[in-house]
Amino acid sequence: DAGVIQSPRHEVTEMGQEVTLRCKPISGHNSLFWYRQTMMRGLELLIYFNNNVPIDDSGMPEDRFSAKMPNASFSTLKIQPSEPRDSAVYFCASSLGDIIGYTFGSGTRLTVV
Amino acid sequence: KQEVTQIPAALSVPEGENLVLNCSFTDSAIYNLQWFRQDPGKGLTSLLLIQSSQREQTSGRLNASLDKSSGRSTLYIAASQPGDSATYLCAVAGSQGNLIFGKGTKLSVKP
Repeated sequence: DAGVIQSPRHEVTEMGQEVTLRCKPISGHNSLFWYRQTMMRGLELLIYFNNNVPIDDSGMPEDRFSAKMPNASFSTLKIQPSEPRDSAVYFCASSLGDIIGYTFGSGTRLTVV
Repeated sequence: KQEVTQIPAALSVPEGENLVLNCSFTDSAIYNLQWFRQDPGKGLTSLLLIQSSQREQTSGRLNASLDKSSGRSTLYIAASQPGDSATYLCAVAGSQGNLIFGKGTKLSVKP
């Protein structure tokens, strides 16, 4: 398996633009997580899905953020409109319950100018 | 609300030393605890996973312990090497599988 695949690896966008981050979890994993990492706040859980259903989105900072998981092999995190304070590394992770643990993607480094 | 704290925030040691990284959490009702390694500009690599019913896990020169009742975990690294230099993150999993991370310990092993 190629692991958790995120795209793009880097994104530079202007304030006010829409940004879409993509994630392909490991085949067979039934949970998917979106995290954001910044120097100040560390790794924060934004939202997670179980069997494609959003379980907890309390970590989503604002209504500008939305996430979808239309099927078991794909998820998106969208920011609209983007702001400079959204600049961070966004990680996607997937797991199969608590037995196997978590596998993280390589992350998307987002810069909003 | 679960909070995870890691001490120290940074650590610098000479090569060959044994060292201990500490992690504490406020809510003992956890499903499991994981230690991750993160290299600069990279993603996270899982090192060790300890189930809530376990006391420790070992992998090579790494040993992680878990004391749920006191809300503590330690990561022991034996005979440290320069290649061990990275940030080490502790994370606890709730019943829904969501991970809550500490801010990490940045380790530097000097040759």
